[in-house]
Amino acid sequence: DAGVTQSPTHLIKTRGQQVTLRCSPISGHKSVSWYQQVLGQGPQFIFQYYEKEERGRGNFPDRFSARQFPNYSSELNVNALLLGDSALYLCASSYLDSSGGAKDTQYFGPGTRLTVL
Amino acid sequence: GEDVEQSLFLSVREGDSSVINCTYTDSSSTYLYWYKQEPGAGLQLLTYIFSNMDMKQDQRLTVLLNKKDKHLSLRIADTQTGDSAIYFCAESLRDTGRRALTFGSGTRLQVQP
Repeated sequence: DAGVTQSPTHLIKTRGQQVTLRCSPISGHKSVSWYQQVLGQGPQFIFQYYEKEERGRGNFPDRFSARQFPNYSSELNVNALLLGDSALYLCASSYLDSSGGAKDTQYFGPGTRLTVL
Repeated sequence: GEDVEQSLFLSVREGDSSVINCTYTDSSSTYLYWYKQEPGAGLQLLTYIFSNMDMKQDQRLTVLLNKKDKHLSLRIADTQTGDSAIYFCAESLRDTGRRALTFGSGTRLQVQP
């Protein structure tokens, strides 16, 4: 079975531009979460989506937005890019069964490396 | 509050055991995870433990949880050069259906041949 896939793998943008990152979850998983990992740090939570609805949001500005499609894939959009947005953006999928348990475990994709010049 | 802390670096010789430590502060955590990240790659799930458990063993990996001290450790037996990577401890908060993970800064494990 395919794991979590993300596109593109690398991206170079300039300050002020906008970017869209894409993620396809593991087949059967209904939840997608996005994380930002700055070099030398652990990932920071940005968003979680479940059944096309936002379930949680981390401490990120409104320049960051996301959505989830009926096939459970997701897009992360970042507007008005800043140099500090340069990072590895990770997507994770999980089943998010409401009863909890191991099915909520998050599996990560390979990430999209965004460089803002 | 949410805060996960790890030591930054660990160096061991091939064949020895490695022990990577983590402390967390949020007492409402229900799941604690260990992930491995190799250079330029995403995060690979290694193992997890429920907060009502004390220990979990999975082949070469042993996870110990001390709930009183909020201390989590990952022991890798017979460490190999392929185990060289950054290891992240993460806690999952269970509130209103959200499963956001809070990560530590990672421990870089260097395995010397």
